[in-house]
Amino acid sequence: EAQVTQNPRYLITVTGKKLTVTCSQNMNHEYMSWYRQDPGLGLRQIYYSMNVEVTDKGDVPEGYKVSRKEKRNFPLILESPSPNQTSLYFCASSLGPINEQFFGPGTRLTVL
Amino acid sequence: GENVEQHPSTLSVQEGDSAVIKCTYSDSASNYFPWYKQELGKRPQLIIDIRSNVGEKKDQRIAVTLNKTAKHFSLHITETQPEDSAVYFCAAFGTGTYKYIFGTGTRLKVLA
Repeated sequence: EAQVTQNPRYLITVTGKKLTVTCSQNMNHEYMSWYRQDPGLGLRQIYYSMNVEVTDKGDVPEGYKVSRKEKRNFPLILESPSPNQTSLYFCASSLGPINEQFFGPGTRLTVL
Repeated sequence: GENVEQHPSTLSVQEGDSAVIKCTYSDSASNYFPWYKQELGKRPQLIIDIRSNVGEKKDQRIAVTLNKTAKHFSLHITETQPEDSAVYFCAAFGTGTYKYIFGTGTRLKVLA
């Protein structure tokens, strides 16, 4: 089944404790993105990747890192999480940058 | 920075009526405009998209129009049904930035 998976789905952590949210797609997509969704602000792109080893900042990259060492995986790293990073995070992938994006199920992160 | 304004933020219509959601973008280099539907607790899913070389696109009860001169695009849903109730997001992709900018969403309620 073609899909985008994210783990964990829910995470409660404390300020400053490094964490990684994994994202994987099995559709051989080149373009991958991370978004955060906050009430009243819609979806905001954090980072995107055009292909393996090619990543760039989206609109709200501060406090986040990503890597794209393999085509299928695009982990989101929070080196030192802060409470303002409490949000719902979505990973998405598409064949190319201007094709339908398929979203993962979301990761709800709470930073205390 | 670039932005996408979306109106209205909430919209209530009677079943069978039409609904229109409007978005305005600022990046004149944008060339791809998708619309996503997000049901409560679910991930966003593409419902229709339009590219900058097309003025209008229809898919059954859903249509999107694009006015490049005004930097404006709209989603039209005809013969609304209760299952159309959801949050709808517009987005614009910038060819220069390779980034997606999303609108803040419209909560559509279809009243039976």
